[in-house]
Amino acid sequence: DAKTTQPPSMDCAEGRAANLPCNHSTISGNEYVYWYRQIHSQGPQYIIHGLKNNETNEMASLIITEDRKSSTLILPHATLRDTAVYYCIVRVHGSSNTGKLIFGQGTTLQVKP
Amino acid sequence: GAGVSQSPSNKVTEKGKDVELRCDPISGHTALYWYRQRLGQGLEFLIYFQGNSAPDKSGLPSDRFSAERTGESVSTLTIQRTQQEDSAVYLCASSRTGWEGEQYFGPGTRLTVT
Repeated sequence: DAKTTQPPSMDCAEGRAANLPCNHSTISGNEYVYWYRQIHSQGPQYIIHGLKNNETNEMASLIITEDRKSSTLILPHATLRDTAVYYCIVRVHGSSNTGKLIFGQGTTLQVKP
Repeated sequence: GAGVSQSPSNKVTEKGKDVELRCDPISGHTALYWYRQRLGQGLEFLIYFQGNSAPDKSGLPSDRFSAERTGESVSTLTIQRTQQEDSAVYLCASSRTGWEGEQYFGPGTRLTVT
């Protein structure tokens, strides 16, 4: 699975949009981009995933560049409860995949009042 | 519906003792995973079960670690002769299949080896 690069930390004002970047310049054509977050002392939580089209759900939006070498997770109206470590993971789908997720160091997002 | 549950939530044990950690996945999920997270670190993959296929044990750090799963239900992770470096949060996750990457995590078991 391709390696990802994320900034170690970011701040965001409460109520504003949080834009979390991720570089995955070695991503291959069959690899999806996944985002998870981990709030302090809890297990990771799935947020969203996509292949090449932009995706939106009730939690967030995922914007993937046309060349797929980078993506941005957008939390449209950040709240204090969104303070967490956010992980960007790329992963193939398919029977040959072992299923595991490879977590990097992620981005620590601090939402401030 | 019910999420992934793990027990115990906390376990303190003496060095050299064996421990057994339990995971109850979401009903109907065929895939089950164990991860470990040391303090201040990211998650490390340990083992993966998918249906009746042979498990992927490639992440187990030593032969002191083993895991079993009964069909598509409960899994237990056993650590024999615990060492202080085994202290960590052990997280279990399940997913509908191993095909996709949408995994649902339990709250974890915090293991402290004294």
